[in-house]
This record gives sequence, C-alpha cells and structure tokens, in this order.
Amino acid sequence: NAGVTQTPKFQVLKTGQSMTLQCAQDMNHEYMSWYRQDPGMGLRLIHYSVGAGITDQGEVPNGYNVSRSTTEDFPLRLLSAAPSQTSVYFCASSLAGAGYEQYFGPGTRLTVT
Amino acid sequence: AQSVSQHNHHVILSEAASLELGCNYSYGGTVNLFWYVQYPGQHLQLLLKYFSGDPLVKGIKGFEAEFIKSKFSFNLRKPSVQWSDTAEYFCAVTVTMDSSYKLIFGSGTRLLVRP
Repeated sequence: NAGVTQTPKFQVLKTGQSMTLQCAQDMNHEYMSWYRQDPGMGLRLIHYSVGAGITDQGEVPNGYNVSRSTTEDFPLRLLSAAPSQTSVYFCASSLAGAGYEQYFGPGTRLTVT
Repeated sequence: AQSVSQHNHHVILSEAASLELGCNYSYGGTVNLFWYVQYPGQHLQLLLKYFSGDPLVKGIKGFEAEFIKSKFSFNLRKPSVQWSDTAEYFCAVTVTMDSSYKLIFGSGTRLLVRP
C-alpha cells in the first residue's frame, strides 16, 4: 500500500496562475479531505468528501475547488493563485469519516509570488 | 464558534523531564478527540484517540491523554520525554458544524527536547 500520495511536493506559482494539487489513496477510504497548514494556525480544513460525487466546504474554502469522481482521487484546484494561498497543503483520508483516524499524505509546499 | 485551543505554542524540555500539553475545545456535544504528531520532515500521524469509555487513553511511544468532560480538556502527557519526541503536536476534535461532521485542529505545539 502506498497510502496517501500527493503531487507535486513543491510548487511555485505566480499570482493569478491556476493549478491542481493531486491526491490519491489506495486504501479504499470513503472520506477524504484537504487541509492547509500555516505557522501558528495549525491545520485548517479546506474541503472534504464523504464519497465519490459528494464534496462539501470546510473552514477556509474560498479560492479552492474540489471534485471527487473516483474513490481514489481527490484533486484540489486553485483557480487564481494569490500570495495568501502560500502554505503547506495536506491531503488526508479515513475509512468512514471525520471521526476516524486520518491518514495524511506527505504534503505539498506551495509558494505564490 | 467551535474551536480547539492549544495554549502552549512552544515547549522546551530536557530529556527525562515530564511533559503535559494542554488542549481545550469549545463544543458542548459529543466529541471524538485525537492527538496527532508531526516529526521533522514527516507527515502527521495519529498518536492516540478517545471515542468513549475510560477517559484515560494510552497511545504510542508512551504517550497518554486524559479526557475531562467538565473542563472540555484533553491534555497530552508523557512521564519522561526523549530527544526523539521533538516534534509538533496537534490536538483535534470532531464537531458538528453546519449540519456536517468535521475534524478541527488546534494550532499546534512545537516541542523541543534537549539531549
């Protein structure tokens, strides 16, 4: 099992550019989520999905889109990058929901200039 | 609004010292409680969890946490820390928010253990 994988590991964008952060899991987990980690603020939930075809917003969804067409994949799209989106992004999955152990990916460090 | 507070942002200890990291949450309903750890250069992993039953839960690497419902607290403890415990520790709570079930993290505590 590869667990939760994320690509890329590092990314630099210019303001206004768009990109997609990839996340995949091979554990057949129904629940997947995206967090951003900023110094002194911990992890904040961006979007989450309770299964294929179902997504919902977290605490800080503005500027991000998600979709869940398969159980395995949960990409995060930045539509028009802003410097405020400079952060480390973590994808996580769990068997059945937020109340279960979350398995985290290695993270993507994004810098927006 | 529901929140999770970790009051100690940075903690520095010598090896063999005892550790207690505070975690308080503001939510009156049923909660599931977690502590996650992020070692330098690694991704987050579960340290321990509380769902129900005995309020004193034991996790990996000698860590334990006590759920005190009346104080809305879930403090993490370890009797004797090691240099390898240097990491960032996050408390997390599942809450119902906007009619859905979400996992909310605290801001984290950076622990540095000096050899």
